[in-house]
Amino acid sequence: EAQLLESGGGLVQPGGSLRLTCTASGFTFMRYAMSWVRQAPGKGLEWVSGISGTSALIEYSDSVKGRFTISRDNSKNQLYLQMNSLRAEDTAVYFCAKLISDDPDDYWGQGTLVTVSS
Amino acid sequence: QPALTQPPSVSGTPGQRVTISCSGSSSNIGTYSVNWYKQVPGTAPQLLIFASHQRPSGIPGRFFGSKSGTSAALAISGLQSEDEAVYYCATCDDALRGFWVFGGGTKLIVL
Repeated sequence: EAQLLESGGGLVQPGGSLRLTCTASGFTFMRYAMSWVRQAPGKGLEWVSGISGTSALIEYSDSVKGRFTISRDNSKNQLYLQMNSLRAEDTAVYFCAKLISDDPDDYWGQGTLVTVSS
Repeated sequence: QPALTQPPSVSGTPGQRVTISCSGSSSNIGTYSVNWYKQVPGTAPQLLIFASHQRPSGIPGRFFGSKSGTSAALAISGLQSEDEAVYYCATCDDALRGFWVFGGGTKLIVL
């Protein structure tokens, strides 16, 4: 059974940094693009960043471009999100997700809460 | 503003049929198929529909997805109390080199 487990969330001051990790199991991690999706309290889902299986293709939403960096280590089945210059509006639950088009094998982690506050 | 437009809320009584719309553009829905998700508060989204109209194993036939041009829709028939949740559409977008965009979500209220 496929599983995604996020870690690294917590409380950080504005301007601070945090690194999220997602550990995958139950599927061939290196074959698939992966994404980070966030959800601010009481708000909708927002795609944040994505990376292809080989890391050749990387994209960010405008709201985090220049501040966040996505990466992956296929030897460890892990996905990362380095978040710098954090702002209050980055406060959200961050989900690691294997989003896939035209396929039912779409997986999400349970999410990790990031709170940016002084 | 989300790239895909959904109504903030829809409502219906048990047994009724409701439809949730999702409007996009030529760079997203006009090019790619659509996923629909159901999210209950405090949990991760659950895939309801993929490839615009296909249901994953375990999703009942009461859920029906469709797509036409740059719009998509999710229809739920035989409404049940447990259908009360927030529903999101999602698809890929050429503006993000094939990565994903989401709708703003639609709260389904079962009266």
